[in-house]
Amino acid sequence: EPEVTQTPSHQVTQMGQEVILRCVPISNHLYFYWYRQILGQKVEFLVSFYNNEISEKSEIFDDQFSVERPDGSNFTLKIRSTKLEDSAMYFCASREGENYEQYFGPGTRLTVT
Amino acid sequence: AQKVTQAQTEISVVEKEDVTLDCVYETRDTTYYLFWYKQPPSGELVFLIRRNSFDEQNEISGRYSWNFQKSTSSFNFTITASQVVDSAVYFCALSGWQGGSEKLVFGKGMKLTVNP
Repeated sequence: EPEVTQTPSHQVTQMGQEVILRCVPISNHLYFYWYRQILGQKVEFLVSFYNNEISEKSEIFDDQFSVERPDGSNFTLKIRSTKLEDSAMYFCASREGENYEQYFGPGTRLTVT
Repeated sequence: AQKVTQAQTEISVVEKEDVTLDCVYETRDTTYYLFWYKQPPSGELVFLIRRNSFDEQNEISGRYSWNFQKSTSSFNFTITASQVVDSAVYFCALSGWQGGSEKLVFGKGMKLTVNP
């Protein structure tokens, strides 16, 4: 069964460093998302991406964040200068089309020290 | 603005008990989707069900059943004869039915522990 994959599963970085989280959505899916979950809290929407552009972003998704679909398979989230409060689980999700459910990847746990 | 409330934060039951997870939502959209996701201790988010706002028919899938009541803005989830493997955090979520984003708005989650 097709699934969303994410790498790495765990990333440790120092404050101020740049990180890139990678996702491979399900191949025939057209809509892509990043969410984050701070430990013990709810899952929060960051950004949605469709047709090679951001379709919506949340207040969390400030200038430190960017997304890219550099080729036909990868979808990346970049954090330019990480802060301690960026420590969280980051989930990538994709869906096939309008009115379909989103399928989530296993997540990348980001720890900023 | 959309909002999902899961009033229960944690429930502990003994195996074979039935348990109902409550979910109340707020939205101004006339059409929308409701979801339940399961997050086991391993951390991934597992899709369980999606309902659209104009289909209030209850659904049963094995030991799982869902009760959608538009009149009370609720979408409750019942696990019958719970098992230890049901132990997880369960999230209720909502999305608008619109072209483009359809982002998910999640509740805070409810941690279910099923003891043997």
